[in-house]
Amino acid sequence: NAGVTQTPKFQVLKTGQSMTLQCAQDMNHNSMYWYRQDPGMGLRLIYYSASEGTTDKGEVPNGYNVSRLNKREFSLRLESAAPSQTSVYFCASAERWDQPQHFGDGTRLSIL
Amino acid sequence: EDQVTQSPEALRLQEGESSSLNCSYTVSGLRGLFWYRQDPGKGPEFLFTLYSAGEEKEKERLKATLTKKESFLHITAPKPEDSATYLCAVWGSFGNEKLTFGTGTRLTIIP
Repeated sequence: NAGVTQTPKFQVLKTGQSMTLQCAQDMNHNSMYWYRQDPGMGLRLIYYSASEGTTDKGEVPNGYNVSRLNKREFSLRLESAAPSQTSVYFCASAERWDQPQHFGDGTRLSIL
Repeated sequence: EDQVTQSPEALRLQEGESSSLNCSYTVSGLRGLFWYRQDPGKGPEFLFTLYSAGEEKEKERLKATLTKKESFLHITAPKPEDSATYLCAVWGSFGNEKLTFGTGTRLTIIP
């Protein structure tokens, strides 16, 4: 029972490079989320998808795009990475938007 | 804007020494409060949901309580494996689907 799987686990980029963070869940959940976690700050929502076919901005969406590929998969794209985007990124899913969220183990991203 | 403040930032306890972690919140209308546990290098793990003042939930050595302004996570006779960062999050403000997280309390249990 994998739960929420994130790939890659670690990544180093140069400023200006692009990349996509992948997230897949096997719990048949409807809602999916992308967060970033920085030292001294709580988890901050980047984008979310309340159900398949919909996406909405969260608290800190600038510099990111998302795609809800199907019910299982929700990807996060950095088009032109900046050092300020160095962070740990977490994907989460929930049965519905008002239910507890279940998290993956994160992608640790460094941008030089 | 919803706000969550957790205290203390860090807490060191001897094994068996009970204590409480605090989560104070400001929301326009609380619809739920969540407690998570996060181990180093891992994602948050869901512990409890509380929906209304006076509600309590228990799991092993942990007990979560809720008032109109704050929540407490009581840890009774902790063991070293209870060492982790404990996160609190609130779901408030009708029409707002997002959770607002606190910065967490880093708990260390010394054998």
